Amino acid sequence: GAGVSQSPSNKVTEKGKDVELRCDPISGHTALYWYRQRLGQGLEFLIYFQGNSAPDKSGLPSDRFSAERTGESVSTLTIQRTQQEDSAVYLCASSLSWSGRYYEQYFGPGTRLTVT
Amino acid sequence: TQLLEQSPQFLSIQEGENLTVYCNSSSVFSSLQWYRQEPGEGPVLLVTVVTGGEVKKLKRLTFQFGDARKDSSLHITAAQPGDTGLYLCAGRLNNAGNMLTFGGGTRLMVKP
Repeated sequence: GAGVSQSPSNKVTEKGKDVELRCDPISGHTALYWYRQRLGQGLEFLIYFQGNSAPDKSGLPSDRFSAERTGESVSTLTIQRTQQEDSAVYLCASSLSWSGRYYEQYFGPGTRLTVT
Repeated sequence: TQLLEQSPQFLSIQEGENLTVYCNSSSVFSSLQWYRQEPGEGPVLLVTVVTGGEVKKLKRLTFQFGDARKDSSLHITAAQPGDTGLYLCAGRLNNAGNMLTFGGGTRLMVKP
Protein backbone atom coordinates (compact mmCIF):
# COMPACT_ATOMS: atom_id res chain seq x y z
CA GLY A 1 0.00 0.00 0.00
CA ALA A 2 1.02 3.62 -0.41
CA GLY A 3 3.07 5.16 2.34
CA VAL A 4 3.37 8.79 3.35
CA SER A 5 4.36 10.94 0.40
CA GLN A 6 5.81 14.43 0.41
CA SER A 7 6.39 17.00 -2.28
CA PRO A 8 8.54 18.48 -3.50
CA SER A 9 11.46 16.24 -2.57
CA ASN A 10 13.83 19.18 -2.88
CA LYS A 11 13.18 22.92 -2.80
CA VAL A 12 15.69 25.69 -3.26
CA THR A 13 14.39 29.18 -2.58
CA GLU A 14 15.74 32.65 -2.10
CA LYS A 15 15.75 34.28 1.30
CA GLY A 16 12.53 36.19 1.85
CA LYS A 17 10.35 34.06 -0.42
CA ASP A 18 7.42 31.96 0.81
CA VAL A 19 7.40 28.17 0.40
CA GLU A 20 4.69 25.56 0.67
CA LEU A 21 5.42 21.93 1.46
CA ARG A 22 2.89 19.16 0.97
CA CYS A 23 2.22 15.90 2.80
CA ASP A 24 -0.11 13.10 1.76
CA PRO A 25 -0.63 10.78 4.74
CA ILE A 26 -1.53 7.11 4.67
CA SER A 27 -5.23 6.71 3.95
CA GLY A 28 -7.20 6.27 7.16
CA HIS A 29 -4.57 7.81 9.42
CA THR A 30 -6.25 10.46 11.50
CA ALA A 31 -3.08 11.85 13.06
CA LEU A 32 -0.49 13.84 11.12
CA TYR A 33 2.77 15.34 12.34
CA TRP A 34 5.36 17.73 10.93
CA TYR A 35 8.99 17.66 12.08
CA ARG A 36 12.11 19.58 11.13
CA GLN A 37 15.49 17.87 10.92
CA ARG A 38 18.64 19.92 10.63
CA LEU A 39 21.63 18.27 8.98
CA GLY A 40 22.71 15.14 10.87
CA GLN A 41 20.50 15.91 13.85
CA GLY A 42 17.39 14.54 15.49
CA LEU A 43 13.81 15.52 14.74
CA GLU A 44 12.29 18.71 16.09
CA PHE A 45 8.51 18.60 16.51
CA LEU A 46 6.61 21.38 14.72
CA ILE A 47 2.87 20.69 14.67
CA TYR A 48 0.39 17.83 15.22
CA PHE A 49 -3.09 17.34 13.77
CA GLN A 50 -5.48 14.78 15.25
CA GLY A 51 -8.84 14.32 13.59
CA ASN A 52 -11.07 17.34 13.99
CA SER A 53 -9.36 18.60 17.13
CA ALA A 54 -7.50 21.91 17.16
CA PRO A 55 -3.91 21.28 16.06
CA ASP A 56 -1.07 21.35 18.58
CA LYS A 57 1.11 24.17 17.27
CA SER A 58 3.44 24.28 20.25
CA GLY A 59 6.52 23.37 18.21
CA LEU A 60 6.27 26.04 15.53
CA PRO A 61 9.44 28.17 15.86
CA SER A 62 7.93 31.48 14.76
CA ASP A 63 4.80 33.05 13.30
CA ARG A 64 6.36 32.66 9.85
CA PHE A 65 5.45 28.98 10.09
CA SER A 66 1.89 27.73 9.65
CA ALA A 67 0.22 24.51 8.63
CA GLU A 68 -3.20 23.40 7.50
CA ARG A 69 -4.86 20.07 7.03
CA THR A 70 -7.91 19.34 4.91
CA GLY A 71 -10.08 16.91 6.86
CA GLU A 72 -8.06 13.76 7.40
CA SER A 73 -6.05 14.03 4.21
CA VAL A 74 -3.47 16.37 2.74
CA SER A 75 -1.52 18.82 4.86
CA THR A 76 0.53 21.81 3.79
CA LEU A 77 3.29 23.48 5.80
CA THR A 78 3.89 27.08 4.80
CA ILE A 79 6.99 29.09 5.66
CA GLN A 80 6.74 32.78 4.96
CA ARG A 81 9.68 35.11 4.35
CA THR A 82 12.15 32.24 4.51
CA GLN A 83 15.45 32.69 6.31
CA GLN A 84 18.69 30.74 5.90
CA GLU A 85 18.19 29.08 9.28
CA ASP A 86 15.01 27.50 7.87
CA SER A 87 17.20 25.26 5.70
CA ALA A 88 16.50 21.69 6.82
CA VAL A 89 14.64 18.53 5.91
CA TYR A 90 10.95 18.78 6.75
CA LEU A 91 9.46 15.40 7.59
CA CYS A 92 5.83 14.46 7.76
CA ALA A 93 4.46 11.42 9.58
CA SER A 94 1.00 9.93 10.02
CA SER A 95 -0.52 7.41 12.37
CA LEU A 96 -3.77 5.94 13.53
CA SER A 97 -5.10 7.67 16.59
CA TRP A 98 -7.29 6.35 19.34
CA SER A 99 -7.71 7.68 22.84
CA GLY A 100 -5.54 5.86 25.34
CA ARG A 101 -3.54 3.94 22.78
CA TYR A 102 -0.32 4.66 20.98
CA TYR A 103 0.15 3.89 17.31
CA GLU A 104 3.33 3.81 15.23
CA GLN A 105 4.16 6.93 13.24
CA TYR A 106 5.04 6.29 9.61
CA PHE A 107 7.35 8.85 8.05
CA GLY A 108 7.55 10.26 4.57
CA PRO A 109 10.89 10.77 2.80
CA GLY A 110 10.96 14.46 3.63
CA THR A 111 11.39 17.70 1.72
CA ARG A 112 14.89 19.12 1.71
CA LEU A 113 14.59 22.90 1.86
CA THR A 114 17.58 25.08 1.02
CA VAL A 115 17.31 28.83 1.50
CA THR A 116 19.99 30.76 -0.37
CA THR B 1 19.74 20.94 26.19
CA GLN B 2 17.60 18.23 24.67
CA LEU B 3 15.11 16.24 26.71
CA LEU B 4 16.62 13.04 25.34
CA GLU B 5 20.41 12.96 25.10
CA GLN B 6 21.98 10.41 22.81
CA SER B 7 25.59 9.29 22.96
CA PRO B 8 27.83 9.00 21.17
CA GLN B 9 26.88 11.44 18.44
CA PHE B 10 29.19 9.74 15.94
CA LEU B 11 30.62 6.24 15.84
CA SER B 12 32.90 4.73 13.22
CA ILE B 13 33.80 1.07 13.66
CA GLN B 14 35.06 -1.92 11.70
CA GLU B 15 32.81 -4.71 10.52
CA GLY B 16 32.44 -7.37 13.20
CA GLU B 17 32.81 -5.05 16.19
CA ASN B 18 30.16 -4.58 18.86
CA LEU B 19 28.74 -1.22 19.87
CA THR B 20 26.28 0.36 22.26
CA VAL B 21 24.30 3.58 21.81
CA TYR B 22 22.75 5.31 24.80
CA CYS B 23 19.66 7.45 25.20
CA ASN B 24 19.30 9.28 28.53
CA SER B 25 16.84 11.66 30.14
CA SER B 26 15.81 13.03 33.51
CA SER B 27 12.16 12.57 32.48
CA VAL B 28 10.08 9.41 32.71
CA PHE B 29 8.68 8.05 29.47
CA SER B 30 5.63 5.80 29.06
CA SER B 31 7.35 4.21 26.08
CA LEU B 32 10.50 4.62 24.08
CA GLN B 33 11.27 3.84 20.48
CA TRP B 34 14.35 3.38 18.36
CA TYR B 35 14.43 4.38 14.70
CA ARG B 36 16.98 3.98 11.92
CA GLN B 37 17.22 6.55 9.18
CA GLU B 38 19.11 6.31 5.92
CA PRO B 39 20.06 9.31 3.74
CA GLY B 40 17.14 10.74 1.81
CA GLU B 41 14.58 8.73 3.70
CA GLY B 42 12.38 9.14 6.75
CA PRO B 43 13.07 7.27 10.00
CA VAL B 44 11.90 3.66 10.17
CA LEU B 45 10.76 2.17 13.47
CA LEU B 46 12.95 -0.64 14.83
CA VAL B 47 11.37 -1.32 18.22
CA THR B 48 9.10 0.02 20.93
CA VAL B 49 9.78 -0.70 24.62
CA VAL B 50 7.13 0.06 27.22
CA THR B 51 8.02 -1.71 30.47
CA GLY B 52 10.85 -0.66 32.82
CA GLY B 53 13.68 -3.20 32.54
CA GLU B 54 12.34 -4.60 29.29
CA VAL B 55 14.80 -6.16 26.87
CA LYS B 56 13.95 -6.81 23.24
CA LYS B 57 16.08 -8.52 20.64
CA LEU B 58 15.89 -8.04 16.90
CA LYS B 59 18.47 -10.33 15.28
CA ARG B 60 21.83 -8.73 16.18
CA LEU B 61 20.21 -5.72 17.87
CA THR B 62 19.36 -5.70 21.57
CA PHE B 63 17.26 -2.92 23.06
CA GLN B 64 16.89 -2.21 26.76
CA PHE B 65 14.58 0.15 28.64
CA GLY B 66 15.87 1.34 32.00
CA ASP B 67 14.10 0.25 35.17
CA ALA B 68 13.01 3.82 35.87
CA ARG B 69 11.96 4.35 32.23
CA LYS B 70 14.30 7.31 31.89
CA ASP B 71 16.94 5.75 29.67
CA SER B 72 17.49 3.15 26.99
CA SER B 73 20.30 1.49 25.13
CA LEU B 74 20.79 -0.14 21.75
CA HIS B 75 23.49 -2.78 21.45
CA ILE B 76 24.59 -4.13 18.07
CA THR B 77 26.60 -7.34 17.94
CA ALA B 78 29.00 -8.06 15.08
CA ALA B 79 28.15 -4.87 13.19
CA GLN B 80 27.85 -5.03 9.41
CA PRO B 81 28.18 -2.29 6.77
CA GLY B 82 24.42 -2.54 6.27
CA ASP B 83 23.94 -1.25 9.83
CA THR B 84 25.33 2.13 8.76
CA GLY B 85 22.84 4.93 9.34
CA LEU B 86 21.44 7.45 11.80
CA TYR B 87 19.92 5.87 14.91
CA LEU B 88 17.30 7.91 16.74
CA CYS B 89 15.62 7.31 20.05
CA ALA B 90 12.22 8.85 20.70
CA GLY B 91 10.16 8.86 23.86
CA ARG B 92 6.50 9.34 24.65
CA LEU B 93 5.91 11.33 27.82
CA ASN B 94 2.98 10.54 30.10
CA ASN B 95 -0.13 12.53 29.13
CA ALA B 96 1.49 13.53 25.84
CA GLY B 97 -0.89 11.51 23.69
CA ASN B 98 0.76 10.37 20.50
CA MET B 99 3.51 12.97 20.67
CA LEU B 100 7.13 11.85 20.43
CA THR B 101 10.25 13.61 21.70
CA PHE B 102 13.35 12.73 19.70
CA GLY B 103 16.98 12.52 20.72
CA GLY B 104 19.72 14.13 18.65
CA GLY B 105 20.70 10.89 16.93
CA THR B 106 23.80 8.72 16.67
CA ARG B 107 25.44 8.50 13.28
CA LEU B 108 26.98 5.04 12.83
CA MET B 109 29.41 4.08 10.11
CA VAL B 110 30.51 0.46 9.80
CA LYS B 111 33.53 0.00 7.58
CA PRO B 112 34.06 -3.28 5.68
